[in-house]
Amino acid sequence: EAQVTQNPRYLITVTGKKLTVTCSQNMNHEYMSWYRQDPGLGLRQIYYSMNVEVTDKGDVPEGYKVSRKEKRNFPLILESPSPNQTSLYFCASEGTEADTQYFGPGTRLTVL
Amino acid sequence: EDQVTQSPEALRLQEGESSSLNCSYTVSGLRGLFWYRQDPGKGPEFLFTLYSAGEEKEKERLKATLTKKESFLHITAPKPEDSATYLCAVQADRGSTLGRLYFGRGTQLTVWP
Repeated sequence: EAQVTQNPRYLITVTGKKLTVTCSQNMNHEYMSWYRQDPGLGLRQIYYSMNVEVTDKGDVPEGYKVSRKEKRNFPLILESPSPNQTSLYFCASEGTEADTQYFGPGTRLTVL
Repeated sequence: EDQVTQSPEALRLQEGESSSLNCSYTVSGLRGLFWYRQDPGKGPEFLFTLYSAGEEKEKERLKATLTKKESFLHITAPKPEDSATYLCAVQADRGSTLGRLYFGRGTQLTVWP
């Protein structure tokens, strides 16, 4: 089954404690993205990757890092989380021949 | 700057009452316009991709259309299970930005029996 998986699905942490949210896709897609979704602001792209070792900033990259060492994985790293990074995060992937981006189930992050 | 505006923000319909959702966009070279459905707490679910003005796509009670400046999602005889937030997104046709999607804020649709 074609899918995008994210872990963890829920995370409560404290300010400054480094965390990583993992994302994996089994569709051999070239493109992968991270989004955050906040009430009233909609979905905003954080970072995206066009292929292994190729990444670029989206609309709201501050405070986040990404890496793309393997085609299937695209982890999101928060080196020093702050309360304003409390949000619902989605990973997505897209192939060059695909019609659309496929989204993961989401990770709800709370930073205290 | 690429932008996407959806209207209305919220829409309440009685079961069977047809209506349309609007997505207006400004993008320098459109590669594709996408419609998604999102249920609370879940990831967006793909509905349609439209590539050029005049294109139409249908799926059950939903029909999406595209002009050079906007897209409409027509809902015919909706049912309560159609209640969700409908998201519109555009992707620009620029090689360096393939993979970038710009989303509107969505239309929250409620269909009551």
